[in-house]
Amino acid sequence: QVHLVESGGGLVKPGGSLRLSCGASGFTFTDYYMSWIRQTPGKGLEWVSYISNYYTYINYADSVKGRFTISRDNAQNSVYLQMNSLRAEDTAVYFCARVVGSGSQKGTFDYWGPGTLVTVSS
Amino acid sequence: DIQMTQSPSSVSASVGDRVTITCRASQGISNWLAWYQQKPGKAPNLLIYAASSLQSGVPSRFSGSGSGTDFTLTIDSLQPEDFATYYCQQANSFPPGPFGGGTKVEIK
Repeated sequence: QVHLVESGGGLVKPGGSLRLSCGASGFTFTDYYMSWIRQTPGKGLEWVSYISNYYTYINYADSVKGRFTISRDNAQNSVYLQMNSLRAEDTAVYFCARVVGSGSQKGTFDYWGPGTLVTVSS
Repeated sequence: DIQMTQSPSSVSASVGDRVTITCRASQGISNWLAWYQQKPGKAPNLLIYAASSLQSGVPSRFSGSGSGTDFTLTIDSLQPEDFATYYCQQANSFPPGPFGGGTKVEIK
């Protein structure tokens, strides 16, 4: 079955960097866009970034544009989020999610990882 | 940018009650709307897509309706495992999202 698992979260000082990883299994990785979504403690969900199957399309939320970089390694069935110039407001649980790219489920996040916590604090 | 507004932000209900949650898009999105359920400490789980289609494995007491800008999620005969937070999400355009602010269904 589909399985996504994030890693790389932790405590980092403001201005620091962190790289999140998401390993995928149970489906043909190159058939899907992948996305990162975050959730601040006690708050709602915020889409962060997505990347298309073969890197053609990449997009970021305005709140992270210029600081975060999404990438993927189709040979390793993995997607990454490089986070630089981190701020306190980036503190959140970061989820990796599979994006359905076509059909009636287009644009939905049909599978999610359990999430990894990023804390930005001095 | 499309904005999604959910109401109410929380609702208290008893087991067996019918619960209705609404979601409004700032512009028309046809039927490109999804609903998710999230339990504490867990990732969200896709319940409904295309406004009214039930994701595989989701109980039939969940239903969705609406088109354009106004949408509804209904839970018939609320069960103990349904106490959670529910989010809507527009799927009309890329990038996917944003999400509504969430509705917490609490035990009365």
